[in-house]
Amino acid sequence: NAGVTQTPKFQVLKTGQSMTLQCAQDMNHEYMSWYRQDPGMGLRLIHYSVGAGITDQGEVPNGYNVSRSTTEDFPLRLLSAAPSQTSVYFCASSRVAGESYEQYFGPGTRLTVT
Amino acid sequence: AQSVTQLGSHVSVSEGALVLLRCNYSSSVPPYLFWYVQYPNQGLQLLLKYTSAATLVKGINGFEAEFKKSETSFHLTKPSAHMSDAAEYFCAVSETGAQKLVFGQGTRLTINP
Repeated sequence: NAGVTQTPKFQVLKTGQSMTLQCAQDMNHEYMSWYRQDPGMGLRLIHYSVGAGITDQGEVPNGYNVSRSTTEDFPLRLLSAAPSQTSVYFCASSRVAGESYEQYFGPGTRLTVT
Repeated sequence: AQSVTQLGSHVSVSEGALVLLRCNYSSSVPPYLFWYVQYPNQGLQLLLKYTSAATLVKGINGFEAEFKKSETSFHLTKPSAHMSDAAEYFCAVSETGAQKLVFGQGTRLTINP
């Protein structure tokens, strides 16, 4: 299993540009989520999904859009990039129920908005 | 609302010394608690988790944590630090299992030779 994969690893955008961060998992997990990591603030939940066709907002959803058309993929869209969105973005997945009680994290995408 | 406070953004210990990283949480329901480790330029890896079974939880790499409800704490310890333990450590809480984690701000652990 590849686990959780994210592309690209690095990205530089200009203010106002849009882009999609890709996330895929091959563990047949129902739950997927996006976090952003900023220095001194830990990780904060952006959006999450409990299954194909179902998404919901987390703590910091503004400026981001998600969709979940398949179990495997959960892309994160930046609609109009702003310098405040400079961050490291992590995708994670887990089973919704069961005893595993663990989220598996991808390697991250480092985004810089100039 | 859930929240996590990690006391000390930086902790420095000597190789072979005790490692103690502090985590306090707030939750309106019995919580699920986690410690994750992040090595430079990598994602997060689960160290250990508390899911209402034993209050003393053993994890990977010799780490353990004790859930103390009366103190709302879940401190991470390791008896003897290794150079390879240098990393950033995150405590997280959830009211719904493994989902919708709320993270602390992180503690960077430095090991001195």
